[in-house]
Amino acid sequence: LAKTTQPISMDSYEGQEVNITCSHNNIATNDYITWYQQFPSQGPRFIIQGYKTKVKNEVASLFIPADRKSSTLSLPRVSLSDTAVYYCLVGPHSKSARQLTFGSGTQLTVLP
Amino acid sequence: DTAVSQTPKYLVTQMGNDKSIKCEQNLGHDTMYWYKQDSKKFLKIMFSYNNKELIINETVPNRFSPKSPDKAHLNLHINSLELGDSAVYFCASSQDRREQYFGPGTRLTVT
Repeated sequence: LAKTTQPISMDSYEGQEVNITCSHNNIATNDYITWYQQFPSQGPRFIIQGYKTKVKNEVASLFIPADRKSSTLSLPRVSLSDTAVYYCLVGPHSKSARQLTFGSGTQLTVLP
Repeated sequence: DTAVSQTPKYLVTQMGNDKSIKCEQNLGHDTMYWYKQDSKKFLKIMFSYNNKELIINETVPNRFSPKSPDKAHLNLHINSLELGDSAVYFCASSQDRREQYFGPGTRLTVT
């Protein structure tokens, strides 16, 4: 199983760019990297997914180096409403017997 | 039109009881999951179920059993509840293990 490691918490100010890194040293060849956001008393919500290099959507970017042993979620110009816990998830798309592994989550606090 | 729904939202029960949590998804997804989130916010996968194939996290006690009456439902049955089972349980679904859609969670309190 790909074990993931994330910082426990991060603070930022409104309007800044925030980068959250997840380490997954033993990621497998067919594993994808997915990031989720969770607000209190809600289920996690999908943010972005990638396999290698860079992926971008309307809310975030995901940077994955060539060795794929880590990934960085980038949130541009955060606002107070981005305060949440962010999880990275590593696992395959295919119907595999292997389990999906969530990171321990990073509590992002955006300050005014 | 909730994509993934769970009932009940809150469940308070005594040790030793048997309880069930229901989950339904209307997204047409082929895979459903159950997760446990403890007080420290760790998200631990318990089961995934795809096309009648059940994948179990070996650390989950056999008091927990998922049951899928059809492709849109994956219910969680828990026997002989223990204090340590208190947590928030999330159901989720996905198509081919791509992005998962989570339900709102069920907060289980065992007294």
